[in-house]
Amino acid sequence: QSALTQPPSVSGSPGQSVTISCTGTSSDVGGYNYVSWYQQHPGKAPKVIIYDVSKRPSGVPDRFSGSKSGNTASLTISGLQAEDDADYHCCSYAGSYTWVFGGGTKLTVL
Amino acid sequence: EVQLVESGGGLVQSGGSLRLSCVVSGFTFSDYWMSWVRQAPGKGLEWVANIKQAGTEKNYLDSVKDRFTISRDNAKSSLYLQINSLRVEDTAVYYCARVNWPRFDSWGRGTLVTVSS
Repeated sequence: QSALTQPPSVSGSPGQSVTISCTGTSSDVGGYNYVSWYQQHPGKAPKVIIYDVSKRPSGVPDRFSGSKSGNTASLTISGLQAEDDADYHCCSYAGSYTWVFGGGTKLTVL
Repeated sequence: EVQLVESGGGLVQSGGSLRLSCVVSGFTFSDYWMSWVRQAPGKGLEWVANIKQAGTEKNYLDSVKDRFTISRDNAKSSLYLQINSLRVEDTAVYYCARVNWPRFDSWGRGTLVTVSS
C-alpha cells in the first residue's frame, strides 16, 4: 500500500496545456484500468474529474483527459483556465477492495 | 441532491478514541459501498477503509487495521468510523465518500481529527 508518485507541483499559463504524471506499480496502476483523478480546491472536498483511466463524468469539460502507459497514468489539462488552479490527486484500485492515492500535485495557473 | 455530512471530529490526546459519523441523503445508501478517506495537513489523500452495502465485507489500510473499525446503519443512512489508540500521525481531515465502483463519486466536506501528544 505505498502511495503513487506524483510531481509536487506543475504550472502553466492560461491557454497552455499541462500534464501531471502518476507512477505506481504492476500491483495498482499497471494492473487495473481503474485510475481516477480528483480536483481539490483549497478547503473543499475532492471532485472526481476522470475515472477508469480516461472517462469523464458528466459536467467535466473535455479539456481534461486521462491516459495510461504501463505503470504510469497521466492527466492532461488543455486550454488552462484560472479556475483550474487547484490540487490534483490520482488514485488507483490496488486489488482486494483497496485503493491507493498519490501524494497530490499543486497546479498553479500563472 | 446527493449530500454527505461528517461529524465527530475534534481534539484528542494520543491513545484516545473517537467515533466519526457520516449521514447521507439524496441517494439509496444501502445500494453503495462506502469509504473513509483522510488527508493529513498539507498532504495527499489516503484511503482508510471501506464497507460493502450490507456491511458483510470490510477492508482497511494496513496501518489502521487493528485500531479502526468501519460500520454502517442502512436504516439511518449512516456510516461510522471508530478510531481507537489514536496516534499523532492520525491527525487529518476525514472524508466520507460514496463508492461508485471503482471511483469515489461523492464526498462530504470532512471532519478534522487532531491528535495531541
